[in-house]
Amino acid sequence: GAVVSQHPSRVICKSGTSVKIECRSLDFQATTMFWYRQFPKKSLMLMATSNEGSKATYEQGVEKDKFLINHASLTLSTLTVTSAHPEDSSFYICSARGHPDRGRTEAFFGQGTRLTVV
Amino acid sequence: AQSVTQPDIHITVSEGASLELRCNYSYGATPYLFWYVQSPGQGLQLLLKYFSGDTLVQGIKGFEAEFKRSQSSFNLRKPSVHWSDAAEYFCAVGGFGNEKLTFGTGTRLTIIP
Repeated sequence: GAVVSQHPSRVICKSGTSVKIECRSLDFQATTMFWYRQFPKKSLMLMATSNEGSKATYEQGVEKDKFLINHASLTLSTLTVTSAHPEDSSFYICSARGHPDRGRTEAFFGQGTRLTVV
Repeated sequence: AQSVTQPDIHITVSEGASLELRCNYSYGATPYLFWYVQSPGQGLQLLLKYFSGDTLVQGIKGFEAEFKRSQSSFNLRKPSVHWSDAAEYFCAVGGFGNEKLTFGTGTRLTIIP
């Protein structure tokens, strides 16, 4: 399958600072990227969907000003957690998918980023 | 609204024994169903998926799943588990092109010798 690389895999930051997480599709063009958040011992919750070159669509209850998503190219999307607080500590996972009309019906997941805010 | 229920939070099986993980879904249209596996601290790996056609789908690592529309189920099975199968398993439902995947709460699988 295709490869999606997420960086960093772990990050610790101080409360009040911002953290950027990168999601790259290494061998295909990702027209759509999804950002999920996973709480301990919980399932994955979709935060937002981003299409290359357009604004992200956020799920209900997700603060778009706190979780900034940029999908400026077909191989890179970034999630920036602004003014991080301890309650933002979580496991964040991205997934990337090519164009479904070209048979790209599967989304491939990155390895996740463990964010700890202290 | 779409939803996925995985009724078993934790399952323990002996190595070499058979395995079945349950998944029930609710979806308003034709569902696209997936099973993913997650090792600790890792992302998700797709085991198998169902879009249409044969209701028994084969996946990687010897896993299979059967789609039963009448029961709204998509249970995952493996005839003989290996110690390396210990992980968290997630069932998911979505629309065409994995749009807005909804995940179940996961089933943690422990393998005992």
